[in-house]
Amino acid sequence: QVQLVQSGAEVKKPGASVKVSCKASGYTFTSYDINWVRQATGQGLEWMGWMNPNSGNTGYAQKFQGRVTMTRNTSISTAYMELSSLRSEDTAVYYCARGRRASTIFGVVHYYYYGMDVWGQGTTVTVSS
Amino acid sequence: SYELTQPPSVSVSPGQTARITCSGDALPKQYAYWYQQKPGQAPVLVIYKDSERPSGIPERFSGSSSGTTVTLTISGVQAEDEADYYCQSADSSGTSLNWVFGGGTKLTVL
Repeated sequence: QVQLVQSGAEVKKPGASVKVSCKASGYTFTSYDINWVRQATGQGLEWMGWMNPNSGNTGYAQKFQGRVTMTRNTSISTAYMELSSLRSEDTAVYYCARGRRASTIFGVVHYYYYGMDVWGQGTTVTVSS
Repeated sequence: SYELTQPPSVSVSPGQTARITCSGDALPKQYAYWYQQKPGQAPVLVIYKDSERPSGIPERFSGSSSGTTVTLTISGVQAEDEADYYCQSADSSGTSLNWVFGGGTKLTVL
């Protein structure tokens, strides 16, 4: 079945970096964006950015530009999100979610939007001294 | 920055109809998506492209759009529908795709 499986919980000190992985299975990894969304305890969902696993192209929310890097390893169908210069406010559950589908027809990329239809189980990142 | 506005809470009795709104200036031009999130769980997509329902989502969930407001309607609300609901859409002001979530609405089934 289609699923995204994330890496385990992390505890980091302020100023450190964290790298969370998201392994896809059950579908063609390179055909769909991977989005990263975080949620602090008791708060709402906050979109961080997207990555196209085929091209490696990314788009980051302005709030995280300069601090977040999204990458992938297509050979193992895994996406990564690295957040640097961590502070206590970054303590949250981080989710990956499958996003828009991209299809190349006669050299032209077409996008199809069906929402974030598959989500990982979430990775808790705690930033504490 | 672009914002989507939702009411913090909505309460209904079982069997009644719940309506959750989401307002944003770009909604006439951009599709909206709705997610249900229960405590301790990842969000689940319940409506995409304003009014389409993914497979496996009960028919009592529906979506509509009018101007700068989109609405998630849950007909015949059941106790299991008690959850947080989030709308999502695209910020069309920039050149790159940017998604935005509303602040979320807590649906309480009385």
